[in-house]
Amino acid sequence: QKEVEQNSGPLSVPEGAIASLNCTYSDRVSQSFFWYRQYSGKSPELIMSIYSNGDKEDGRFTAQLNKASQYVSLLIRDSQPSDSATYLCAATERGFQKLVFGTGTRLLVSP
Amino acid sequence: GAGVSQSPSNKVTEKGKDVELRCDPISGHTALYWYRQSLGQGLEFLIYFQGNSAPDKSGLPSDRFSAERTGGSVSTLTIQRTQQEDSAVYLCASSLDLNNQPQHFGDGTRLSIL
Repeated sequence: QKEVEQNSGPLSVPEGAIASLNCTYSDRVSQSFFWYRQYSGKSPELIMSIYSNGDKEDGRFTAQLNKASQYVSLLIRDSQPSDSATYLCAATERGFQKLVFGTGTRLLVSP
Repeated sequence: GAGVSQSPSNKVTEKGKDVELRCDPISGHTALYWYRQSLGQGLEFLIYFQGNSAPDKSGLPSDRFSAERTGGSVSTLTIQRTQQEDSAVYLCASSLDLNNQPQHFGDGTRLSIL
C-alpha cells in the first residue's frame, strides 16, 4: 500500500455542488494531514490542516479525519469554476518531518 | 517578503553542468524543505533543515545533489553534473518549526536539462 493514496480523477461537479475529495493513508504516516490545491503550472497552496479526528471547517472547505479508518477527506461547498485544480493530500511520515504526498485528484467544476 | 522566495524561476542548462537553486524562507520560519516534482509525478521529498542542520538527507537522489543553509535562513540546492532526468520543478517550503506545522511553498524553480 502506498503511504498516501488518492483517486486521480478527474472528478467533475457542476457549479454550486459539493465536491468530495478522499484520501487514504497507511500506518507509516500519521499525526498531521494537509490539503493543498495546485493549479496547473503553479506551486501547491495550503488549504487546510487537520490533526485530530472529526471535522474542521474553514469557509467553504471542510476537512474530515477518521484515524480508525485511516482516511481524510476534503469537502468543497458551493463549488466554483475557480476551484478547478489538482488537490493534493499530504501527511507527515511517522517519526520524520517530511510530507508524503498523494498523486492528487483533479477537480473540474463546470459552469 | 511575505512568502517563500525561490530563484531562478526558470533554468535551462546543458547536461553535465552544475546548477545552484536558491530558497529564501518566510521570515521567522526555522524549518526549510526541498521537494521536486517531475512532469506528471507527485512531489518527492529531498531534504529538510532545522536551523542550519540537515537531520534527514534520505531523499537526495544521488551524491550529485547537495544542499546547505547558512544563518538559519537562505538555502541553496546544488546539482552537480546535471543529467536529463534531473529536469523537474524544484520546490522549497518552510514552516514555523518542525512540530508538524503546515509547510508553505515557494513558486519553484523549473529546471530543464538539454
